[in-house]
Amino acid sequence: DGGITQSPKYLFRKEGQNVTLSCEQNLNHDAMYWYRQDPGQGLRLIYYSQIVNDFQKGDIAEGYSVSREKKESFPLTVTSAQKNPTAFYLCASAPPGALYEQYFGPGTRLTVT
Amino acid sequence: RKEVEQDPGPFNVPEGATVAFNCTYSNSASQSFFWYRQDCRKEPKLLMSVYSSGNEDGRFTAQLNRASQYISLLIRDSKLSDSATYLCVVAVSGGGNKLTFGTGTQLKVEL
Repeated sequence: DGGITQSPKYLFRKEGQNVTLSCEQNLNHDAMYWYRQDPGQGLRLIYYSQIVNDFQKGDIAEGYSVSREKKESFPLTVTSAQKNPTAFYLCASAPPGALYEQYFGPGTRLTVT
Repeated sequence: RKEVEQDPGPFNVPEGATVAFNCTYSNSASQSFFWYRQDCRKEPKLLMSVYSSGNEDGRFTAQLNRASQYISLLIRDSKLSDSATYLCVVAVSGGGNKLTFGTGTQLKVEL
């Protein structure tokens, strides 16, 4: 079965700790994206990567970091510098030739207290 | 002004009703348009692309008006299973192929 997996589904952390969210896809997509969703707001782009070993900041990259060492994997680290980390985090990928038709993983709900 | 604006709803409609959502976008350079569906606490899923000529997929019809910069989604013969939040999504070509999402319109179809 092809798809995008994110783990864990729910994650709880104490303030001041860094946390890494996993995103893996076996769709052979080059492009991958990280978004966060907050109540009453649209999805906001954090980082994106169009190819292995390359990534760009999105609209709200401050306090986050990513890596893209493998085509299949695009982990997101939420650092202690992120002021409001509690949110629903969604990873997506897009096929070549249809970069706007993004496929989303099931998401990770991060709660920081 | 938000780049993509939608009425948040909720729209409560009886089963079998026809319901329409509108969405406006501010960037006249926008070139690609989509409707995504998001069920409660789940990930968004692509519902349909929106073309200038309009397009239909079963009970769903999407229209684009470039002059007025708005997009619409019409759902005919609503089903209980159509209850979800519908996200209007816009893209400007280039710049990493980034999508801009509206906040969504919530639809509740009732018996």
